[in-house]
Amino acid sequence: GAGVSQSPSNKVTEKGKDVELRCDPISGHTALYWYRQRLGQGLEFLIYFQGNSAPDKSGLPSDRFSAERTGESVSTLTIQRTQQEDSAVYLCASSPHFSRHYEQYFGPGTRLTVT
Amino acid sequence: QKEVEQDPGPLSVPEGAIVSLNCTYSNSAFQYFMWYRQYSRKGPELLMYTYSSGNKEDGRFTAQVDKSSKYISLFIRDSQPSDSATYLCATVGADKLIFGTGTRLQVFP
Repeated sequence: GAGVSQSPSNKVTEKGKDVELRCDPISGHTALYWYRQRLGQGLEFLIYFQGNSAPDKSGLPSDRFSAERTGESVSTLTIQRTQQEDSAVYLCASSPHFSRHYEQYFGPGTRLTVT
Repeated sequence: QKEVEQDPGPLSVPEGAIVSLNCTYSNSAFQYFMWYRQYSRKGPELLMYTYSSGNKEDGRFTAQVDKSSKYISLFIRDSQPSDSATYLCATVGADKLIFGTGTRLQVFP
């Protein structure tokens, strides 16, 4: 079946502009996660959605970052007033159930470059 | 101290070699351990996950967890050039994955 998809695959933006990144999880997966991967570094947790419950936002680095998810479908990650340090690959993952954090399937990522 | 430590490599081996990739972790409460493979400019791909101590085998891949020493390993038998990628270990902490920084593996023909 179809895996996790993300769009756009690449995004170049000027410092100070807002960007919106999209994630389509695997159909039926109730849990959705966003991570950031900076060059040469491991994946950094950003936010986690579990069904209709309040999301775990503990990993968001600043209030310029926000994310939404409608039900168990598409999620968008928004970065306002982008800074150069926001340049990274943003990865989305989904899991069949919130109890199965150990079984996350990742999308191809969005490579964000802030100039 | 990072919660999950992983040697970044790179690790370069000839085709057919047995590869050993390793991580250490700090919190004895961690129970699930995962290995992901990430090709250049792609998202991580889940290879396998294990629960608690012991071994798990899937084809040429074997994952091993030693909770007494807080050490996790991934062995690749009969390595192939197509195994060239970055391998990430991870564990579950507070409802999210905690990753090592990844080991870059190069298998040359």
